[in-house]
Amino acid sequence: DIEMTQSPDSLAVSLGERATINCRSSQSVLHRYNNKNYLAWYQQKPGQSPKLLIYWASTRESGVPDRFSGSGSGTDFTLTISSLQAEDVAIYYCQQYFGTTPSTFGQGTKLEI
Amino acid sequence: QVQLQESGPGLVEPSKTLSLTCGVSGYSISSGDYWAWIRSPPGKGLEWIGSVYYSGSTSYNPSLRSRVSISVDTSRSQFYLQLNSVTAADTAVYYCARNSSAGFFDYWGQGTLVTVSS
Repeated sequence: DIEMTQSPDSLAVSLGERATINCRSSQSVLHRYNNKNYLAWYQQKPGQSPKLLIYWASTRESGVPDRFSGSGSGTDFTLTISSLQAEDVAIYYCQQYFGTTPSTFGQGTKLEI
Repeated sequence: QVQLQESGPGLVEPSKTLSLTCGVSGYSISSGDYWAWIRSPPGKGLEWIGSVYYSGSTSYNPSLRSRVSISVDTSRSQFYLQLNSVTAADTAVYYCARNSSAGFFDYWGQGTLVTVSS
């Protein structure tokens, strides 16, 4: 299985400041035939189910504010919130969905203000 | 808008079978997508359990394969999870989700807490 490791485990950021969450996979999730990274990001607010934010490492899901952005390739990825809002308090997870390997998630990063 | 709703017992005895149903509305379950079960033990992260195609073909997490079965009933717009021989380690919030053909999960149910205890 591909192991996903997020850093940090928790993060406190002031309102209006930038938040950065990292995700590393134990092997590359870049598929050579289509040059796509099989990496998604989710947001889980307290008491809610996870919500898809970003897929293909950098494509925002419809309706997701543009302050959320994803970057990276191969084994190292980053989720950036450019200007933190109060409603962004949540746990964030990365997920790899590469090929026929079992889909796996990172352990989560708790974002607080 | 795709909506998913989990249902089933909130308490299961150890060594018994956990059975959950996911109802899909606002979208045809036969539209060519995969449908997944994912769980989150208390205080822990997310674990993919397995997925079922509308035709009935399945894929499972190897760590659970010996105990899990996922099936679909397109006439009822429902898919199902059965997990056998449960222990306290299977206590978790269980989510059903649409598994895009690419592999990410784009619609989720609200989740249901299942506790394994006597």
